[in-house]
Amino acid sequence: GENVEQHPSTLSVQEGDSAVIKCTYSDSASNYFPWYKQELGKRPQLIIDIRSNVGEKKDQRIAVTLNKTAKHFSLHITETQPEDSAVYFCAARYNFNKFYFGSGTKLNVKP
Amino acid sequence: DAEITQSPRHKITETGRQVTLACHQTWNHNNMFWYRQDLGHGLRLIHYSYGVHDTNKGEVSDGYSVSRSNTEDLPLTLESAASSQTSVYFCASSEPGGYGYTFGSGTRLTVV
Repeated sequence: GENVEQHPSTLSVQEGDSAVIKCTYSDSASNYFPWYKQELGKRPQLIIDIRSNVGEKKDQRIAVTLNKTAKHFSLHITETQPEDSAVYFCAARYNFNKFYFGSGTKLNVKP
Repeated sequence: DAEITQSPRHKITETGRQVTLACHQTWNHNNMFWYRQDLGHGLRLIHYSYGVHDTNKGEVSDGYSVSRSNTEDLPLTLESAASSQTSVYFCASSEPGGYGYTFGSGTRLTVV
């Protein structure tokens, strides 16, 4: 069936370095791709999203890129800080209102 | 401010009991969803609703049911709780198209 694959499952970086998380999707009709950050014991929260009519979107230290031909999209965090440590989920919309979620990436930023 | 709330935050129940988890949103969203979150599986869709009296099955709906009698509430019922249903459950709501997707704070359910 349709799904979203997310890599890596864990990522450890030094404070100040960049972090990149990648997702691939299989449904060519998907056209909206949000990213969520989930801190320990808390709810997932939307941090950035991208629609299929653009290739890149930035919001301060966070950026998302989309390659529709290859069916993959990536989250880029620059100048990482300890408070960026969390689990990050990608998602791809299908059937207009529903999403497939990736299995999550646990990011650890070491001070 | 608009919000989406879940109750209870934690629940321990026995195998075979019926359990209902509450979800209430004040965003006036027509779309509401229930997910379960398990280690290594991310978020998996259980049931969803696009409006009052509308309910649909997600990818892991066996053993669960929902009802939608008003816009604000989508309670999730476990008909006969099983240990495999021990999980963290998240409710979510959204605008049409999935924009503004907002999650509740979650319910940690343990079935013993």
